[in-house]
Amino acid sequence: DTAVSQTPKYLVTQMGNDKSIKCEQNLGHDTMYWYKQDSKKFLKIMFSYNNKELIINETVPNRFSPKSPDKAHLNLHINSLELGDSAVYFCASSQDMAGAFSYYEQYFGPGTRLTVT
Amino acid sequence: KNQVEQSPQSLIILEGKNCTLQCNYTVSPFSNLRWYKQDTGRGPVSLTIMTFSENTKSNGRYTATLDADTKQSSLHITASQLSDSASYICVVIEGGNEKLTFGTGTRLTIIP
Repeated sequence: DTAVSQTPKYLVTQMGNDKSIKCEQNLGHDTMYWYKQDSKKFLKIMFSYNNKELIINETVPNRFSPKSPDKAHLNLHINSLELGDSAVYFCASSQDMAGAFSYYEQYFGPGTRLTVT
Repeated sequence: KNQVEQSPQSLIILEGKNCTLQCNYTVSPFSNLRWYKQDTGRGPVSLTIMTFSENTKSNGRYTATLDADTKQSSLHITASQLSDSASYICVVIEGGNEKLTFGTGTRLTIIP
Protein backbone atom coordinates (compact mmCIF):
# COMPACT_ATOMS: atom_id res chain seq x y z
CA ASP A 1 0.00 0.00 0.00
CA THR A 2 1.31 3.42 -0.96
CA ALA A 3 1.47 5.70 2.09
CA VAL A 4 1.58 9.05 0.27
CA SER A 5 0.51 9.11 -3.36
CA GLN A 6 0.50 11.89 -5.91
CA THR A 7 -1.07 12.24 -9.32
CA PRO A 8 0.01 12.80 -11.97
CA LYS A 9 3.66 11.75 -11.84
CA TYR A 10 4.47 13.87 -14.87
CA LEU A 11 2.70 16.99 -16.08
CA VAL A 12 3.64 18.90 -19.21
CA THR A 13 1.64 22.00 -20.02
CA GLN A 14 1.88 25.39 -21.68
CA MET A 15 2.30 28.78 -20.09
CA GLY A 16 -0.92 30.37 -18.96
CA ASN A 17 -2.75 27.12 -18.31
CA ASP A 18 -4.30 26.11 -14.99
CA LYS A 19 -3.42 22.71 -13.52
CA SER A 20 -3.91 20.69 -10.36
CA ILE A 21 -1.82 18.09 -8.58
CA LYS A 22 -3.53 15.68 -6.21
CA CYS A 23 -2.14 14.15 -3.04
CA GLU A 24 -3.55 11.50 -0.76
CA GLN A 25 -2.17 9.86 2.36
CA ASN A 26 -3.52 6.71 3.98
CA LEU A 27 -1.45 6.97 7.17
CA GLY A 28 -4.10 8.72 9.25
CA HIS A 29 -1.81 11.73 9.67
CA ASP A 30 -3.07 15.14 10.73
CA THR A 31 -0.57 17.27 8.80
CA MET A 32 0.19 17.47 5.12
CA TYR A 33 2.69 19.57 3.16
CA TRP A 34 3.61 20.72 -0.30
CA TYR A 35 7.26 21.19 -1.27
CA LYS A 36 8.90 22.48 -4.43
CA GLN A 37 12.26 21.09 -5.57
CA ASP A 38 13.96 23.16 -8.23
CA SER A 39 16.50 22.12 -10.84
CA LYS A 40 19.31 22.51 -8.33
CA LYS A 41 17.59 19.94 -6.10
CA PHE A 42 16.85 22.52 -3.45
CA LEU A 43 13.72 21.63 -1.46
CA LYS A 44 11.52 24.44 -0.21
CA ILE A 45 8.31 24.15 1.77
CA MET A 46 5.29 25.88 0.24
CA PHE A 47 2.30 25.00 2.39
CA SER A 48 1.41 23.03 5.47
CA TYR A 49 -2.07 21.98 6.52
CA ASN A 50 -2.99 20.62 9.92
CA ASN A 51 -6.43 19.09 10.24
CA LYS A 52 -7.57 20.91 7.09
CA GLU A 53 -6.31 24.29 8.33
CA LEU A 54 -3.47 26.23 6.74
CA ILE A 55 -0.57 26.45 9.19
CA ILE A 56 2.45 27.44 7.11
CA ASN A 57 2.16 29.52 3.98
CA GLU A 58 5.60 30.43 2.81
CA THR A 59 5.94 33.25 0.36
CA VAL A 60 4.54 31.74 -2.79
CA PRO A 61 2.61 33.50 -5.55
CA ASN A 62 -1.14 33.75 -5.20
CA ARG A 63 -1.38 31.63 -8.31
CA PHE A 64 -0.72 28.64 -6.06
CA SER A 65 -3.69 27.58 -3.95
CA PRO A 66 -3.79 24.49 -1.76
CA LYS A 67 -7.10 22.81 -1.16
CA SER A 68 -7.78 20.25 1.53
CA PRO A 69 -11.20 18.60 1.16
CA ASP A 70 -10.44 16.32 4.10
CA LYS A 71 -7.56 15.31 6.35
CA ALA A 72 -6.30 12.68 3.93
CA HIS A 73 -6.08 14.93 0.87
CA LEU A 74 -4.16 18.07 0.02
CA ASN A 75 -4.37 19.18 -3.58
CA LEU A 76 -2.35 21.93 -5.21
CA HIS A 77 -3.96 24.13 -7.83
CA ILE A 78 -1.82 26.40 -9.96
CA ASN A 79 -3.27 29.20 -12.08
CA SER A 80 -1.64 30.94 -15.05
CA LEU A 81 1.40 28.68 -15.11
CA GLU A 82 4.79 30.29 -15.78
CA LEU A 83 8.09 28.88 -17.01
CA GLY A 84 9.58 29.31 -13.54
CA ASP A 85 6.99 26.95 -12.10
CA SER A 86 8.78 24.03 -13.73
CA ALA A 87 10.01 21.85 -10.89
CA VAL A 88 9.27 18.68 -8.99
CA TYR A 89 6.49 19.08 -6.43
CA PHE A 90 6.42 16.79 -3.43
CA CYS A 91 3.56 16.14 -1.10
CA ALA A 92 4.35 14.92 2.42
CA SER A 93 2.53 14.07 5.61
CA SER A 94 3.33 13.67 9.28
CA GLN A 95 1.39 12.61 12.33
CA ASP A 96 1.56 16.16 13.56
CA MET A 97 3.58 19.29 12.77
CA ALA A 98 7.19 18.23 12.04
CA GLY A 99 8.56 21.22 13.84
CA ALA A 100 9.84 22.60 17.06
CA PHE A 101 7.33 21.07 19.40
CA SER A 102 7.19 17.69 17.83
CA TYR A 103 9.61 15.30 16.25
CA TYR A 104 7.35 13.39 13.95
CA GLU A 105 8.64 11.79 10.83
CA GLN A 106 7.63 13.24 7.50
CA TYR A 107 6.66 10.82 4.76
CA PHE A 108 7.07 12.05 1.22
CA GLY A 109 5.19 11.15 -1.92
CA PRO A 110 6.98 10.17 -5.14
CA GLY A 111 6.79 13.67 -6.59
CA THR A 112 5.16 15.28 -9.63
CA ARG A 113 7.47 16.63 -12.29
CA LEU A 114 5.86 19.73 -13.77
CA THR A 115 7.23 21.08 -17.03
CA VAL A 116 5.88 24.36 -18.35
CA THR A 117 6.63 25.11 -21.99
CA LYS B 1 19.61 34.53 7.63
CA ASN B 2 19.35 30.91 8.64
CA GLN B 3 21.35 28.63 6.40
CA VAL B 4 22.23 24.97 6.08
CA GLU B 5 25.33 24.13 4.09
CA GLN B 6 26.37 20.64 3.10
CA SER B 7 29.67 19.30 1.88
CA PRO B 8 30.88 17.89 -0.31
CA GLN B 9 28.45 18.75 -3.08
CA SER B 10 29.12 15.37 -4.66
CA LEU B 11 31.12 12.31 -3.72
CA ILE B 12 32.10 9.15 -5.54
CA ILE B 13 33.42 6.15 -3.62
CA LEU B 14 34.01 2.46 -4.17
CA GLU B 15 31.51 -0.07 -2.93
CA GLY B 16 32.42 -1.29 0.52
CA LYS B 17 34.20 1.91 1.55
CA ASN B 18 33.07 4.26 4.31
CA CYS B 19 32.26 7.93 3.86
CA THR B 20 31.22 10.95 5.88
CA LEU B 21 28.95 13.77 4.79
CA GLN B 22 28.97 17.15 6.53
CA CYS B 23 26.24 19.60 7.46
CA ASN B 24 26.91 23.03 8.97
CA TYR B 25 24.08 25.29 9.99
CA THR B 26 23.43 28.75 11.36
CA VAL B 27 19.80 28.13 12.34
CA SER B 28 18.98 29.56 15.74
CA PRO B 29 17.30 28.76 18.00
CA PHE B 30 17.74 25.09 17.24
CA SER B 31 15.09 22.43 17.69
CA ASN B 32 16.13 19.34 15.78
CA LEU B 33 18.12 18.18 12.79
CA ARG B 34 17.14 15.55 10.23
CA TRP B 35 18.98 13.60 7.58
CA TYR B 36 17.07 12.42 4.52
CA LYS B 37 18.01 10.08 1.69
CA GLN B 38 16.56 10.86 -1.72
CA ASP B 39 16.89 8.33 -4.51
CA THR B 40 16.72 9.65 -8.07
CA GLY B 41 13.11 10.24 -9.06
CA ARG B 42 11.77 9.51 -5.57
CA GLY B 43 10.71 11.48 -2.54
CA PRO B 44 13.07 11.95 0.44
CA VAL B 45 13.09 9.26 3.12
CA SER B 46 13.97 10.07 6.71
CA LEU B 47 17.13 8.49 8.11
CA THR B 48 17.50 10.14 11.51
CA ILE B 49 16.06 12.89 13.69
CA MET B 50 18.40 14.40 16.28
CA THR B 51 17.47 16.71 19.11
CA PHE B 52 19.69 19.14 20.98
CA SER B 53 20.69 16.61 23.62
CA GLU B 54 21.65 13.81 21.23
CA ASN B 55 25.24 13.49 20.07
CA THR B 56 24.95 10.41 17.95
CA LYS B 57 22.22 8.24 16.49
CA SER B 58 22.45 5.17 14.29
CA ASN B 59 20.14 3.65 11.73
CA GLY B 60 21.72 0.50 10.39
CA ARG B 61 24.88 1.44 8.50
CA TYR B 62 24.06 5.14 8.88
CA THR B 63 25.36 7.03 11.91
CA ALA B 64 24.59 10.69 12.43
CA THR B 65 26.44 12.94 14.87
CA LEU B 66 25.50 16.34 16.16
CA ASP B 67 27.57 19.03 17.83
CA ALA B 68 25.08 21.71 18.80
CA ASP B 69 27.85 23.96 20.13
CA THR B 70 29.66 24.20 16.80
CA LYS B 71 26.41 23.74 14.83
CA GLN B 72 27.75 20.84 12.87
CA SER B 73 26.36 17.44 11.98
CA SER B 74 27.76 14.54 10.04
CA LEU B 75 26.35 11.43 8.46
CA HIS B 76 28.69 8.46 8.35
CA ILE B 77 27.95 5.56 6.04
CA THR B 78 29.71 2.30 6.77
CA ALA B 79 30.48 -0.43 4.24
CA SER B 80 28.74 1.40 1.41
CA GLN B 81 26.47 -0.45 -0.98
CA LEU B 82 25.38 0.38 -4.51
CA SER B 83 21.91 1.17 -3.15
CA ASP B 84 23.41 3.98 -1.08
CA SER B 85 23.77 6.00 -4.28
CA ALA B 86 21.43 8.92 -3.68
CA SER B 87 21.26 12.52 -2.53
CA TYR B 88 21.52 13.08 1.21
CA ILE B 89 19.76 16.13 2.55
CA CYS B 90 20.26 17.80 5.92
CA VAL B 91 17.28 19.69 7.37
CA VAL B 92 17.35 21.89 10.45
CA ILE B 93 14.18 22.88 12.30
CA GLU B 94 14.14 26.24 14.02
CA GLY B 95 12.84 26.37 17.55
CA GLY B 96 9.76 28.44 18.22
CA ASN B 97 8.34 28.93 14.72
CA GLU B 98 8.89 25.36 13.45
CA LYS B 99 10.52 26.64 10.29
CA LEU B 100 12.40 24.03 8.26
CA THR B 101 15.61 24.99 6.46
CA PHE B 102 16.90 22.51 3.90
CA GLY B 103 20.47 22.03 2.77
CA THR B 104 21.21 21.62 -0.93
CA GLY B 105 22.29 18.03 -0.42
CA THR B 106 25.28 15.83 -1.18
CA ARG B 107 25.08 13.62 -4.24
CA LEU B 108 26.70 10.28 -3.34
CA THR B 109 27.61 7.76 -6.03
CA ILE B 110 28.82 4.29 -5.14
CA ILE B 111 30.73 2.49 -7.88
CA PRO B 112 31.41 -1.26 -7.99
